[in-house]
Amino acid sequence: DQQVKQNSPSLSVQEGRISILNCDYTNSMFDYFLWYKKYPAEGPTFLISISSIKDKNEDGRFTVFLNKSAKHLSLHIVPSQPGDSAVYFCAAWWAWGSSNTGKLIFGQGTTLQVKP
Amino acid sequence: DSGVTQTPKHLITATGQRVTLRCSPRSGDLSVYWYQQSLDQGLQFLIQYYNGEERAKGNILERFSAQQFPDLHSELNLSSLELGDSALYFCASSGSGGGVIQYFGAGTRLSVL
Repeated sequence: DQQVKQNSPSLSVQEGRISILNCDYTNSMFDYFLWYKKYPAEGPTFLISISSIKDKNEDGRFTVFLNKSAKHLSLHIVPSQPGDSAVYFCAAWWAWGSSNTGKLIFGQGTTLQVKP
Repeated sequence: DSGVTQTPKHLITATGQRVTLRCSPRSGDLSVYWYQQSLDQGLQFLIQYYNGEERAKGNILERFSAQQFPDLHSELNLSSLELGDSALYFCASSGSGGGVIQYFGAGTRLSVL
């Protein structure tokens, strides 16, 4: 059962324009949502997160929006740059028991290509 | 550089064999997580250790096991390997404040022939 879904395997945008990556989830018990970026031959790198009690978090060119009623989040990159070309993973944090017990549940990833 | 070190980077072995993947977490991080990424799939959580103690298990096969040592490095042992075990295996670590933000190593690519 895929609890976190990224329905678009790929996205192509022009440099300077906005990139919007989408993610849907099914479990309303998730505490946090995160976006990771991954380049080939490297591990995922943390990009930005949002608590389930917020609806927006911004960090420079990156903004994450959370719509709890729709169980949907999105990552906006403005303006997009060629160096942003990578695979982007949406992830949800599910914790239980003590504060140090839990797991990240990842979507399948969206490959973003930013064309010069 | 995330500060998480995984060795080896690549591993090629045959079916039925056993391998050990090693992970050194970021300095001071007590939690270590292992994930598997098969072709065109997202990362699947396998297991979490916190300060030497197993804390959480995901869909980890019985043929797989892990441990975290007193110096906090961790090893993932994969035995009776099958073709379907070919994948990228990532290790991540997080600090004592909770595991929400995890820092990933570059991964070990396992090829079972």
